[in-house]
Amino acid sequence: DGGITQSPKYLFRKEGQNVTLSCEQNLNHDAMYWYRQDPGQGLRLIYYSQIVNDFQKGDIAEGYSVSREKKESFPLTVTSAQKNPTAFYLCASSIGGHSDTQYFGPGTRLTVL
Amino acid sequence: ILNVEQSPQSLHVQEGDSTNFTCSFPSSNFYALHWYRWETAKSPEALFVMTLNGDEKKKGRISATLNTKEGYSYLYIKGSQPEDSATYLCAFLTGGSYIPTFGRGTSLIVHP
Repeated sequence: DGGITQSPKYLFRKEGQNVTLSCEQNLNHDAMYWYRQDPGQGLRLIYYSQIVNDFQKGDIAEGYSVSREKKESFPLTVTSAQKNPTAFYLCASSIGGHSDTQYFGPGTRLTVL
Repeated sequence: ILNVEQSPQSLHVQEGDSTNFTCSFPSSNFYALHWYRWETAKSPEALFVMTLNGDEKKKGRISATLNTKEGYSYLYIKGSQPEDSATYLCAFLTGGSYIPTFGRGTSLIVHP
């Protein structure tokens, strides 16, 4: 089955630790995205990548880093510099065109203790 | 950051009721508007991609209209069913941008 997988579903970390969230897609999509959702807010873009080895900051990139070494994979690292890391994180991909539909993963809920 | 507003924030209806909600967006430099449905414990799924002023799209009991000149889109659900319960998101794209700006969503609960 084609789709996007994110792991783990729930993640707990101590304050001050970096943590990496996984996102893999087998849809052969060029573009991939990371969003954050907080209660009462819309999805906010953290980073996006239109092509392998290239990525751009979104609206709230501070305290996050990404890599795009393979077309299928777009991991997100939440660093200790992110002041409020507890949130729900969604990964998405699209074929790559301007108006292409995004396909979403199931999300990872990160809780920093 | 673009302002994309959805109203109402939440909606409770009875099974069989028809309902509609709104997505408002900047009327300048429009490129596309997406609607997504997000059921609890699932991933958001695409409903419609709308690109032209006056567009009307339909999928079963759900339809959407688009007015780019005044900056709004309506989503209609005819004869709501409990399985329609979800959060409905709209996402606005400006010309030249790959990046959608999402509204906060409308949470719909359909009571049997």
